Amino acid sequence: DTGVSQDPRHKITKRGQNVTFRCDPISEHNRLYWYRQTLGQGPEFLTYFQNEAQLEKSRLLSDRFSAERPKGSFSTLEIQRTEQGDSAMYLCASSLVSTGFDEQYFGPGTRLTVT
Amino acid sequence: RKEVEQDPGPFNVPEGATVAFNCTYSNSASQSFFWYRQDCRKEPKLLMSVYSSGNEDGRFTAQLNRASQYISLLIRDSKLSDSATYLCVVTRMDSSYKLIFGSGTRLLVRP
Repeated sequence: DTGVSQDPRHKITKRGQNVTFRCDPISEHNRLYWYRQTLGQGPEFLTYFQNEAQLEKSRLLSDRFSAERPKGSFSTLEIQRTEQGDSAMYLCASSLVSTGFDEQYFGPGTRLTVT
Repeated sequence: RKEVEQDPGPFNVPEGATVAFNCTYSNSASQSFFWYRQDCRKEPKLLMSVYSSGNEDGRFTAQLNRASQYISLLIRDSKLSDSATYLCVVTRMDSSYKLIFGSGTRLLVRP
């Protein structure tokens, strides 16, 4: 399968614990985006990378959240000291941006439940 | 006020019906426009881009009215498999190309 993959697909954690999610984009894609989706809402932008550089972070990304994309390949999103409000689907998308917009392909998401 | 507004529905229609969804966006500098489809507990997938001239893909027709900041999606001859949430999406006029989603409109097609 050459699509975007995410791991794990589901994560249940206790409040206060740290969690880390991984996203593997489509191999030739230079852009990688993280979005968060809560029940009944559309996805909301969190952050994006062009190659290994993190170019923008949303105000939704508090200081408990950190994202990396070492070597411009896979990306990780870490949430420290999880809160119940962090429960959501975390979606990763990738695209190839050359001369302009290109379609973003989404992974299956990581569903986080904080108890 | 949200940047992209949609009627949440649900729209409950019989097979074969024609159904239309509307969406409004508040940022007049919005650059590109799309409809995404999302099945229950799955990732969003691009259904179609929306152009000012209007565009059609099989049973699906999308329209954009920049003056009114309004986007529509028409589905003809609804199939059971069309049951899903339809997300209206815009991008801003910046280099991030990040997607700004509406909350989605849920469609249920019944036999």
